[in-house]
Amino acid sequence: SSELTQDPAVSAALGQTVRLTCQGDSLTTSYASWCQVKTGQAPVFVISGKNLRPSGIPDRFSASSSGDTGFLTITGAQAEDEADYYCISRDTTDKYVIFGGGTKLTVL
Amino acid sequence: QVQLQQWGAGLLKPSETLSLSCAVSGGSLHGYYWMWIRRPPGKGLEWIGETNHVGSTIYSPSLKSRVTISVDTSRRQFSLRMSSVTAADTAEYYCARGTTYYYGSVSCDEIDVWGQGTTVTVSS
Repeated sequence: SSELTQDPAVSAALGQTVRLTCQGDSLTTSYASWCQVKTGQAPVFVISGKNLRPSGIPDRFSASSSGDTGFLTITGAQAEDEADYYCISRDTTDKYVIFGGGTKLTVL
Repeated sequence: QVQLQQWGAGLLKPSETLSLSCAVSGGSLHGYYWMWIRRPPGKGLEWIGETNHVGSTIYSPSLKSRVTISVDTSRRQFSLRMSSVTAADTAEYYCARGTTYYYGSVSCDEIDVWGQGTTVTVSS
């Protein structure tokens, strides 16, 4: 399969823990990584599927997986976390990079 | 710290060829995938293709017939050419660096460095 499925939109109250999901057949043999896209800005790498964050990314972001689904959890969402989040992997042939459709996170 | 700086023409007419370049600074080209990715207005991210430092390329099947990605290691640059553009190619285009890590039998692809983006508009 060449698809990663994400919920189109998720909302969370300020300080709430929110979990974004990414489902796809390729995730049974690979981890999804995640990037964040804020309005008018270039994407930013947030976390790998092995739960490794680049410098500058707060530790409230974590990643995990189960079966064919990857998860991005934000523990205590902040206003600045409002953005589109995309999961990334390669397809089941392990050749082509694929993106999930993106989840628009709104922090209320 | 690796940085990507991209440039290229932002306004094209239908049937023209899109040409973008991306300069890599602060790190080696070896061992990574150098990608082009786009985001049409109101839509999600779309992978266009990639090259490695020796010029081995992979292209999205949906764009393969129109796309060429090349690398110039002496200039530390890689480039995108897309022929016969239409309005559907209007998008923000990004260059990016990708890496594949392996944890036993499980892989993880990361796109960890992105260019600043170039707005490409195709209009007659």
